[in-house]
Parts: sequence; structure tokens; C-alpha cells
Amino acid sequence: AQRVTQPEKLLSVFKGAPVELKCNYSYSGSPELFWYVQYSRQRLQLLLRHISRESIKGFTADLNKGETSFHLKKPFAQEEDSAMYYCALVDTGRRALTFGSGTRLQVQP
Amino acid sequence: EPEVTQTPSHQVTQMGQEVILRCVPISNHLYFYWYRQILGQKVEFLVSFYNNEISEKSEIFDDQFSVERPDGSNFTLKIRSTKLEDSAMYFCASSEGGPGWSPLHFGNGTRLTVT
Repeated sequence: AQRVTQPEKLLSVFKGAPVELKCNYSYSGSPELFWYVQYSRQRLQLLLRHISRESIKGFTADLNKGETSFHLKKPFAQEEDSAMYYCALVDTGRRALTFGSGTRLQVQP
Repeated sequence: EPEVTQTPSHQVTQMGQEVILRCVPISNHLYFYWYRQILGQKVEFLVSFYNNEISEKSEIFDDQFSVERPDGSNFTLKIRSTKLEDSAMYFCASSEGGPGWSPLHFGNGTRLTVT
């Protein structure tokens, strides 16, 4: 069975500090991995996906198959980055997006 | 920008009653989903729907749950006989293509409270 693990419920950093939100997955095949974000009073939305290899709002995430990780990083956190971040996975056989438990990022001024 | 809309935003019902949660997906999207989030817990997949049939469902989606696309615009989740543990935020989502290829667009959710 596929599983997504986000070990931190809360991550608190100061503005300008680097951020790393951890995500590990367990899946025997080649998964599609995503980061979704939910800002306060807004709906859940896609932040980025590994297949695109893009940087969105300064965030990047690299798939490390050896460590089965897909950590989300940003070199300098901004206050507007404060939100709930969810790592998610789709396996190539199922038509279902599976979420991790989420990490709340608080960026303090 | 088009959005997924869900109604009502909050539904209170008594245990044993039937509820229908409604969603209007984005009009050109072909895949539809229901997720739920019990307070303090993770967002859990319930069901996906494509081409007028269920394409995938989780172990949570048992016989008390059903989904329907009654017309060209609505997508509903019915819970036949609600239990206290069904209290949760229910999210509808839609995507243009399959979930491995297209981003899911989520609604704002319906908070279901079973008393």
C-alpha cells in the first residue's frame, strides 16, 4: 500500500530563514508526487509537482528515489508562506491522490 | 478563474439521517472526487468518478456512501444513515485529466456535523 509521511505537524521559522518541509513516501513503483498548500481561509491548491521540476513562489522539491523523499524547500521564508502544506502521491495504477497528514508552516516576523 | 463550488458550507444532521452534499465541478473537467478531513486528521480519499462511474474508492467508502452525477453539472455525495464518526469536512475536487497528470481543483468544503 502506498503511504505518505510528513513527520512534522508544525514548523516554525523566522522570516528570511530557510525552510524544509519533509515528506517521505512508500511505494514500490514510480509515483507521481505533489505538494498542495492551503492558506488561511482558502481552498486546497496545487503548489508544485515533481514531474514539472519547477519552482513556484520560491519553493522547490526534488524527488530522491534512494531515500524515498520529496522534501519541499525554500531558501528564504516569507510571512505569506504561512500555511498548511500537504505532500501527496498518485501511483501509476490507481486513480487516487493520497495525502500526507500535513505540516503547518508558521513564518514569524 | 473557474472554481469548484460546494453547498452547503455547513450541514448539521441527526444520527441516522440521510444527507446529500452537493458540488459543482469545473465545467470542462472530466474527473471528480470526494475527500474528507476529520478534525485534526489528514485529508482522506473517498472516491473518484469518471465517465459516469466510480473509478476508484477507498475502504472508507462503504455501502452507506454513494455518489451521483444527476445532470451535466452537479456531483453529489450521499450518506444514507449518518453516524457520529461521519462528522468531518468533506471536500469535492475535479480535474481535467487523471490525478497523475492534472492538478485537482478543490472546493471550499462542506462541514458536516452529526449530532
